Amino acid sequence: DGGITQSPKYLFRKEGQNVTLSCEQNLNHDAMYWYRQDPGQGLRLIYYSQIVNDFQKGDIAEGYSVSREKKESFPLTVTSAQKNPTAFYLCASRREYGYTFGSGTRLTVV
Amino acid sequence: SQQGEEDPQALSIQEGENATMNCSYKTSINNLQWYRQNSGRGLVHLILIRSNEREKHSGRLRVTLDTSKKSSSLLITASRAADTASYFCATVFTQAGTALIFGKGTTLSVSS
Repeated sequence: DGGITQSPKYLFRKEGQNVTLSCEQNLNHDAMYWYRQDPGQGLRLIYYSQIVNDFQKGDIAEGYSVSREKKESFPLTVTSAQKNPTAFYLCASRREYGYTFGSGTRLTVV
Repeated sequence: SQQGEEDPQALSIQEGENATMNCSYKTSINNLQWYRQNSGRGLVHLILIRSNEREKHSGRLRVTLDTSKKSSSLLITASRAADTASYFCATVFTQAGTALIFGKGTTLSVSS
């Protein structure tokens, strides 16, 4: 079955460390997105990519970086510059107006 | 921010009752979508309503859209305990690669 796989499901980071969240899709979708979800805040857009080797900042890109070297993959790195990284992170892909979401990664700073 | 708003933020009902949640958005739209999220999980697409539609049904779901008021409502009839989840409306923001822009959601609790 086609879908989006996010890994790991849970991730713990020490202060000052960079961590990378994986997002892989086999839907052949061109566009991919990263969202951050905090309690009571809904989903906020971090980065998006409409095509391989191209990506743009969303509303809250500071402290995050991405790459899009392959159509299937859109990894998100949470850098040490992100001061409050504890959150739930969701990846999505799109074809026309059909969006598919992964099951998320919960990142906790310890 | 382009983020919309859902109302109410939280809703508690008994099984068998209807649940209505409302959404307001800020920009002109091509369509509006509703999603459900079970606790700590990904989002599941429920229904899409186009800007030229006023009402749409899918099973126990009924969505209305009023583009003049920039608002939408989601009605879940004969609620079940399994409907307990957070519900989000989302619109497409074409200036951000056609990304979905979400409201803050309504948390629905259905007790048996």
